[in-house]
Amino acid sequence: SAVISQKPSRDICQRGTSLTIQCQVDSQVTMMFWYRQQPGQSLTLIATANQGSEATYESGFVIDKFPISRPNLTFSTLTVSNMSPEDSSIYLCSVPRQGHTQYFGPGTRLTVL
Amino acid sequence: DAKTTQPTSMDCAEGRAANLPCNHSTISGNEYVYWYRQIHSQGPQYIIHGLKNNETNEMASLIITEDRKSSTLILPHATLRDTAVYYCIVRVGSEGTALIFGKGTTLSVSS
Repeated sequence: SAVISQKPSRDICQRGTSLTIQCQVDSQVTMMFWYRQQPGQSLTLIATANQGSEATYESGFVIDKFPISRPNLTFSTLTVSNMSPEDSSIYLCSVPRQGHTQYFGPGTRLTVL
Repeated sequence: DAKTTQPTSMDCAEGRAANLPCNHSTISGNEYVYWYRQIHSQGPQYIIHGLKNNETNEMASLIITEDRKSSTLILPHATLRDTAVYYCIVRVGSEGTALIFGKGTTLSVSS
């Protein structure tokens, strides 16, 4: 199984500021996925990040609000920009694994005041 | 990806088998059935997946009906630690395709 770490594990931020979430994987992967889980809700896919190309965003998510970097095959960042209380969520990264399954990181719990 | 329908919640006594149903009547021939679970405040955990045959691993068994329109995840001896939200997901078997989550079933295991 993949070892995926995320930083920070949690944060409390003021509205109008930005937070960058880091995702580190213990082996090289072509694709990484970013999800959001709002309080009491299921997971929603934000974007797919391929190394060496622009991320592909799902409907309702835009690059200006959630810029993603993918500098190498083991690392990615998701920035939540100009935050509002509605951005309070758990943000998770995920990578594909053998047998076309996916492994998930532990998540970053964000609270925006 | 085909849609799935799961009960909102289920209860199970500790030590008994937990049978979690999932309907996926519009599943296509090349789509697999995946089961994940999410224990409170953690990232989702892979449980099992299958195409058309029944599958078993150290965590659970997956029973898929012959017409593939429904399936059941079986936890043979539920423990308190199995309390979680269980997601049934239908998807083409491809590493490049992200999982799309529905609302899932909240399983509560009590002593």
